[in-house]
Amino acid sequence: GNSVTQMEGPVTLSEEAFLTINCTYTATGYPSLFWYVQYPGEGLQLLLKATKADDKGSNKGFEATYRKETTSFHLEKGSVQVSDSAVYFCALSDLYNTDKLIFGTGTRLQVFP
Amino acid sequence: DTGVSQNPRHKITKRGQNVTFRCDPISEHNRLYWYRQTLGQGPEFLTYFQNEAQLEKSRLLSDRFSAERPKGSFSTLEIQRTEQGDSAMYLCASSSPGQGYEQYFGPGTRLTVT
Repeated sequence: GNSVTQMEGPVTLSEEAFLTINCTYTATGYPSLFWYVQYPGEGLQLLLKATKADDKGSNKGFEATYRKETTSFHLEKGSVQVSDSAVYFCALSDLYNTDKLIFGTGTRLQVFP
Repeated sequence: DTGVSQNPRHKITKRGQNVTFRCDPISEHNRLYWYRQTLGQGPEFLTYFQNEAQLEKSRLLSDRFSAERPKGSFSTLEIQRTEQGDSAMYLCASSSPGQGYEQYFGPGTRLTVT
């Protein structure tokens, strides 16, 4: 069945450091891929998405590229801020069958000044 | 557009009691989803509706769980005879075809079963 695997956290960085959070997936068909973010005390928010191979999703300085050959969708940001501290979830959905989201376990990012 | 709202935000109940949660989706969103999130894990899909029709249910949704969306607007999730293993955050999301079925999540209802 479909599944998502993402790197365990916490990831601890200093402000302005480069961020990578790895995400790989297993899916039949052609899933859409997502990154959601959960700030402390808040609900899940969509950060970015990509719907087909080689698409790049981007938002708020974050980027992720849909790599079909490596079944990956790694999240990157060139310079993190303290306000980026949150839990990040990679997810997929197969819109042709059902658009339910399948999430990874989440990666906590902690950014220190 | 006030976003997806969920009530209550927190619920503490004793084992064996019944609980009901409510979700109000973004107006005109025809799809509504329920997920469950336990500590340290990602959300897990429970069920979803298109208008008032329940189109899919996860195997996680045991016979003690029931969800309804009677008029295609708000939805309720009821858990009967609660067990300690039901303690979790219950998330609701909604989507519409005009937004590519992008799911917008509510703040969740945290259930604690003692």
